[in-house]
Amino acid sequence: GAGVSQSPSNKVTEKGKDVELRCDPISGHTALYWYRQSLGQGLEFLIYFQGNSAPDKSGLPSDRFSAERTGGSVSTLTIQRTQQEDSAVYLCANPPPGWSGGMGTEQYFGPGTRLTVT
Amino acid sequence: RKEVEQDPGPFNVPEGATVAFNCTYSNSASQSFFWYRQDCRKEPKLLMSVYSSGNEDGRFTAQLNRASQYISLLIRDSKLSDSATYLCVVTRGSTLGRLYFGRGTQLTVWP
Repeated sequence: GAGVSQSPSNKVTEKGKDVELRCDPISGHTALYWYRQSLGQGLEFLIYFQGNSAPDKSGLPSDRFSAERTGGSVSTLTIQRTQQEDSAVYLCANPPPGWSGGMGTEQYFGPGTRLTVT
Repeated sequence: RKEVEQDPGPFNVPEGATVAFNCTYSNSASQSFFWYRQDCRKEPKLLMSVYSSGNEDGRFTAQLNRASQYISLLIRDSKLSDSATYLCVVTRGSTLGRLYFGRGTQLTVWP
């Protein structure tokens, strides 16, 4: 498709389990961001990829969170030993094609994964 | 202090009303400015960029005051379909394009 896609759309997991969230970015877009939106909170930055490397991981809330990107395309966000406070919507976003990290620009979001930790 | 502050509302207005949202940002190095719209349980979508000279897109007008670090959005002739949460968003040159979001202002337009 033409837009960012994410899977699963919803995920319910038990506390302590690991989860993997997937982002399929817009084809050919080298930059990719992960954000999360907790209930009653604004969107918070998690991590930024340029190609397969992550020059900014400063938003990851703890070492239980990690992310990788392969082939400059699909990205996976992994949360280990999930906690109830991890419940949120996790969103992936791309800037316009060809943007390479200069002046900030708009981003286009996927539909998100709604994670519920019980 | 949060990077971006918005009045959370809610704003409840009748169809045809004019409504204005305000936003302030704390970092003077902020570089790019946007308004996004987020419908219930949906992803944020870009409504419009905000330029220093102010800009208009149909019924929507955005203004930026860099000296006061203040951004506004004016919606004229409100439609039922304008009901949504409006997010004020900024970027900084030093943080690799990450977006900084306000918590959003909720708007309900009633018939």
